[in-house]
Amino acid sequence: DAKTTQPNSMESNEEEPVHLPCNHSTISGTDYIHWYRQLPSQGPEYVIHGLTSNVNNRMASLAIAEDRKSSTLILHRATLRDAAVYYCILRDRGSGNTGKLIFGQGTTLQVKP
Amino acid sequence: DTEVTQTPKHLVMGMTNKKSLKCEQHMGHRAMYWYKQKAKKPPELMFVYSYEKLSINESVPSRFSPECPNSSLLNLHLHALQPEDSALYLCASSQVPRLAASYEQYFGPGTRLTVT
Repeated sequence: DAKTTQPNSMESNEEEPVHLPCNHSTISGTDYIHWYRQLPSQGPEYVIHGLTSNVNNRMASLAIAEDRKSSTLILHRATLRDAAVYYCILRDRGSGNTGKLIFGQGTTLQVKP
Repeated sequence: DTEVTQTPKHLVMGMTNKKSLKCEQHMGHRAMYWYKQKAKKPPELMFVYSYEKLSINESVPSRFSPECPNSSLLNLHLHALQPEDSALYLCASSQVPRLAASYEQYFGPGTRLTVT
């Protein structure tokens, strides 16, 4: 399984944009890039995923480098509720119908009022 | 309804007990998952069910026995556990992934298990 590397922690101010980086230099052409987050005392929550093109949804944007060796999750205006552990995960499209997700250590995001 | 429910929320059991964790979803998902999460660590995949059949067992000890009796239910039967098995057990579900698409997993809130 291809690995991801994320900073252990990041800080942001409320209502400012946050850019959470992820390196995945061993990504293969069949890997989807997924982002999940886990708020304190809750199960993980899906944020966004993509394959090659940048993606936007109501929660965030995902910017994928042209060579796909890195990606950035963008929260456009951080709120206190966005304080969580953010996981960048590669899911092998070639893993068939298993849906296997391998979580890395993630980035703990602190949001200051 | 995008909810995955798990019962019980908390469970304390002795090493000789037999107990079961239950997970339920009504989103029509045919893929279901069990994860184990130790404190301050990321979730670790244990089992994957696809169309009610076990498709992945991540070398989990036999004292953990999963069961998928129908497309909405997933159980995890526990027997003769060790104190190091104390953790948060998370259930998730998703549409069955396909080659041309990837789908998000919906997680339940977890069962906090303490083995004494």
